[in-house]
Amino acid sequence: AQKVTQAQTEISVVEKEDVTLDCVYETRDTTYYLFWYKQPPSGELVFLIRRNSFDEQNEISGRYSWNFQKSTSSFNFTITASQVVDSAVYFCALSEGNAGGTSYGKLTFGQGTILTVHP
Amino acid sequence: EPEVTQTPSHQVTQMGQEVILRCVPISNHLYFYWYRQILGQKVEFLVSFYNNEISEKSEIFDDQFSVERPDGSNFTLKIRSTKLEDSAMYFCASSEAGPDTQYFGPGTRLTVL
Repeated sequence: AQKVTQAQTEISVVEKEDVTLDCVYETRDTTYYLFWYKQPPSGELVFLIRRNSFDEQNEISGRYSWNFQKSTSSFNFTITASQVVDSAVYFCALSEGNAGGTSYGKLTFGQGTILTVHP
Repeated sequence: EPEVTQTPSHQVTQMGQEVILRCVPISNHLYFYWYRQILGQKVEFLVSFYNNEISEKSEIFDDQFSVERPDGSNFTLKIRSTKLEDSAMYFCASSEAGPDTQYFGPGTRLTVL
């Protein structure tokens, strides 16, 4: 069974600080997909990134970067120079793929990390 | 940019009543999902739907729940007889393929009194 753990329930930082959100996953599949979603106070779920299990390259998108390490089953998310608008709940999620093509994409979410960025 | 839409944004109902939550997935997507999020908790998978049938469902998705794609654009979640514990935010999502990125609608907040 797949599982995602976000051990940090809440993080509070001051604007311009860097912050890293941790995500650890468990799966028995060799093919899987990892995601990060942002849930701002308005409540919608906003897609941030998708990574497949065969691509361990780190990714940077503006102030956001992601560090995928299969050896530790982690997919951490760093926000550089945080801003008040980054305040949200961030969810890490896992979808198991199936080499036989029968994956229907069920997402298993972590508990989420509440990030508060103070001015 | 195409997006998933959901109606209504907020539904209030009495315990025991039937509710239907509606979603319009992104038009070229083939996989459809419902998730729910009880206030302050994580997002939980309910059901996936592909090729006009349920492809996977969770333990939460019991006989009180059903899904339907009544036409080429809508995707609905029906709760036959609502309970207090069904109060949650219900999210619809769609993707082009199974393991592809799922794009979520804005959610329907269901309140059962």
